[in-house]
Formats: sequence, structure tokens, C-alpha cells
Amino acid sequence: GNSVTQMEGPVTLSEEAFLTINCTYTATGYPSLFWYVQYPGEGLQLLLKATKADDKGSNKGFEATYRKETTSFHLEKGSVQVSDSAVYFCALRDVRRNQFYFGTGTSLTVIP
Amino acid sequence: DTAVSQTPKYLVTQMGNDKSIKCEQNLGHDTMYWYKQDSKKFLKIMFSYNNKELIINETVPNRFSPKSPDKAHLNLHINSLELGDSAVYFCASSQDLGFSYEQYFGPGTRLTVT
Repeated sequence: GNSVTQMEGPVTLSEEAFLTINCTYTATGYPSLFWYVQYPGEGLQLLLKATKADDKGSNKGFEATYRKETTSFHLEKGSVQVSDSAVYFCALRDVRRNQFYFGTGTSLTVIP
Repeated sequence: DTAVSQTPKYLVTQMGNDKSIKCEQNLGHDTMYWYKQDSKKFLKIMFSYNNKELIINETVPNRFSPKSPDKAHLNLHINSLELGDSAVYFCASSQDLGFSYEQYFGPGTRLTVT
């Protein structure tokens, strides 16, 4: 079956620190992979995505690479800002069935 | 223009009542979804629906029912509300075909059952 395992939070970092949030998946077939971000009081919004192995998604300084050999899609950012404080969700899409599977979310707090 | 909208944004009601949450998307998407997010931010899929198929998460009580008057709307009806139904409910939509299509989420409806 399909599932996403995400690093437990909460994560607290100082401004300008390096961020990694781990995400691994199990999937039937060849899924598309996504990172969503949820700011306080808001809905989820797409942060970045990758649709095939070795693709790198990037946006707002965040990056993640689709690693088929390790079934991973870790989120990274070189220098976090206070405004990055949010909950981050890793997700996969079973393209054949158009079903989405989300990780449990990782809360990030960045302190000045 | 708002892509996925939900009403109401907040809903406070008493146990035993019946309530509905409305969702509309103006993206022309084929599939719509309802999610429940608990206080720990865990996101649970409740339903996905397009004009061909309704997929129900088997753990969802049958007090919850989706109703779709047309392709752009998927409303959520909840009967006999219970305290444990308190959560934030998100509607989402996506296009069916293509590898790169992501979900678009509404702003959420915070339901409080007293």
C-alpha cells in the first residue's frame, strides 16, 4: 500500500540555521511527491513537488529531491527565517488512482 | 479569485445537532476531497469524490456524508454531532490526469461541538 513517514516534531531552530525534515514513503507504482506548508490559521498550500526519480523540487529556498533508491523526499533549506515557522507535510500521490497520502506533519518554529 | 472556498469558517454547535459545511472550487477540477485535521495537526482523509466514484475512508462514521450537487461543489453533512467531531475540516480539489497535479486546499472550517 501507500504511506508516508515523516520526521516527528516539533522542531525549533534559530534564524539562519540549516533545516532538514525527513520524509520516506512506500508506494505501489510511481508516485508523485509533494511538500505542503500550513501557516498558522490557514489551509495547506503547495511548497514544492517532484514527479519522477531524481527530480528536484524547489521554492522559496526550500529543496527536496525524489530519491527512488532510498524512497525518500527530504526537505531542506540552507538558512531558515522566522517567517518559515509553520507545519510542513510530506505527501505522495498515487497517480493511477488520484489518491493522496499525507505524513503526520512536522511543526517548525524559528526563533530570532 | 479564491480557488477553493469553504463556508462557514467557524461553526459552534451543540451535541446532537446536524450541520453542513459547504465547499466550492472554481478550478474546473475533477476530484474533490474532505479532510479532518485534529488538534495535533494530523490530517485524515475522509472522502474523495469525482463524477465516477466516491471513495470513503472506512474509519469515517456514517454520520458523515458528502453531497455533490455538481462538479464544482462538495458539501459535508454531519448528523448527530459528537464532542469528538470537533476539529478543522478542509476541503480540497485536484485534477485527475497528469503526474504533476497537486491538491488545492480551502481555508478550513473550525468546528467546535459543545
